[in-house]
Amino acid sequence: GENVEQHPSTLSVQEGDSAVIKCTYSDSASNYFPWYKQELGKGPQLIIDIRSNVGEKKDQRIAVTLNKTAKHFSLHITETQPEDSAVYFCAASIGRALTFGSGTRLQVQP
Amino acid sequence: SAVISQKPSRDICQRGTSLTIQCQVDSQVTMMFWYRQQPGQSLTLIATANQGSEATYESGFVIDKFPISRPNLTFSTLTVSNMSPEDSSIYLCSVLVRGSTYEQYFGPGTRLTVT
Repeated sequence: GENVEQHPSTLSVQEGDSAVIKCTYSDSASNYFPWYKQELGKGPQLIIDIRSNVGEKKDQRIAVTLNKTAKHFSLHITETQPEDSAVYFCAASIGRALTFGSGTRLQVQP
Repeated sequence: SAVISQKPSRDICQRGTSLTIQCQVDSQVTMMFWYRQQPGQSLTLIATANQGSEATYESGFVIDKFPISRPNLTFSTLTVSNMSPEDSSIYLCSVLVRGSTYEQYFGPGTRLTVT
C-alpha cells in the first residue's frame, strides 16, 4: 500500500518568515495530494490540495508543489503569522481513501 | 464543503463497555469514512461506511470490534466494542461531498478515553 513520509516533525519560525514542509510518497499511482491543518481539539481542516496533472498551486500565503518524478510534494507558507501555529498533515490518495503523513508541528514565534 | 457534526464530542468509558459515535452531515455525500487518531499521532483509516451494505474495513480493523452503520446518505455510526485502554483515541468522521471528486472534509472528532 501507499506510504507517506513527512518532514520535519517540528518546525519553529519567527513571525513573517517562511515555512516549508516536505512529504514523499511511495505509490506512483497516487494522484491527489491534500494538506490539512489541525488545531488543538479540532478536526483536520483542508487548506490546499493538488492533483497529479498540476505542478504547483497557490492560494494567498500558501502554496503546494508536486514533483511526480521524484514522488515528493511540499507545502510553503509565506509571511507566517501566530495563527498559523498548528499541526500540518500531508496525505496521498489513489482514489478515495487518504494515507496521511506523520504530521509537522509548526510553531510561529511572535 | 459540508458541515459535519459528531456526538459525543468526548467520553470517558470503562474497559469492557461499548460506545457508539454518531456522524451527521448537513448535505448528501457520496462517501463517508471513519479514521482513528491515537494520541499525538497521525490519522489511520478504519473503514469506509457504505450506504445500505457492510462497511469496507482496512487491514487491522474488524467488524466485530468496530461495527459501522450508514442507514442513509447523511448519517453514520461507529461503535467501539469491548473497549480497552488501547482504544483511547480521537475518532473522526470524514466525507466526500457530492460533486467533489477527491476533497474530504472532517468532523470535529470524538475524544475517547478508556479507563
